[in-house]
Amino acid sequence: SQKIEQNSEALNIQEGKTATLTCNYTNYSPAYLQWYRQDPGRGPVFLLLIRENEKEKRKERLKVTFDTTLKQSLFHITASQPADSATYLCALDRGYNNDMRFGAGTRLTVKP
Amino acid sequence: NAGVTQTPKFQVLKTGQSMTLQCAQDMNHEYMSWYRQDPGMGLRLIHYSVGAGITDQGEVPNGYNVSRSTTEDFPLRLLSAAPSQTSVYFCATTTRGGRVNTEAFFGQGTRLTVV
Repeated sequence: SQKIEQNSEALNIQEGKTATLTCNYTNYSPAYLQWYRQDPGRGPVFLLLIRENEKEKRKERLKVTFDTTLKQSLFHITASQPADSATYLCALDRGYNNDMRFGAGTRLTVKP
Repeated sequence: NAGVTQTPKFQVLKTGQSMTLQCAQDMNHEYMSWYRQDPGMGLRLIHYSVGAGITDQGEVPNGYNVSRSTTEDFPLRLLSAAPSQTSVYFCATTTRGGRVNTEAFFGQGTRLTVV
């Protein structure tokens, strides 16, 4: 069966360090992979999208990699700040009609 | 420009009751979907619509109905509420065209408790 696993339920890091979150998938061939941020009591908010033929994407302090051989995406936040504390979700999409599937999320806490 | 609006924000139902969760968008997006979010399970797709008059089932459709009579609205109906439907429900919209995907915009969610 299809599985999307985000490496840990929670990740605690010190302010200024780089946070690295992992998204692994099995029995799936996504055309796109997206990362979302979700704050408590709010809906997810889009951060980055990476296509299957792209290895890396950057946006300000965010970087996403996508390895279709390893079936894995890494999401990095550099120079992390307490304001980056939130739950981060990865989502895989085969790119037609529908079928965007989400991981359970990783709750990131950045301590001052 | 409100984006995606869900009502109500909170709801408590008794087992067996029915209700409709409302979702409205002013972004003129073709694609709308409903997800439920449960602890440790991520967002699971319930139903989706690729345009007015067209709906289809997602991963967990049982116990829910949808309709799409306009581009703007996509209500989710619980036919006979069960405690297993206690969850947070999110409506999302996106523009889709062939294999060109775009980001999804989510509403604020409806927290539903079935007792």
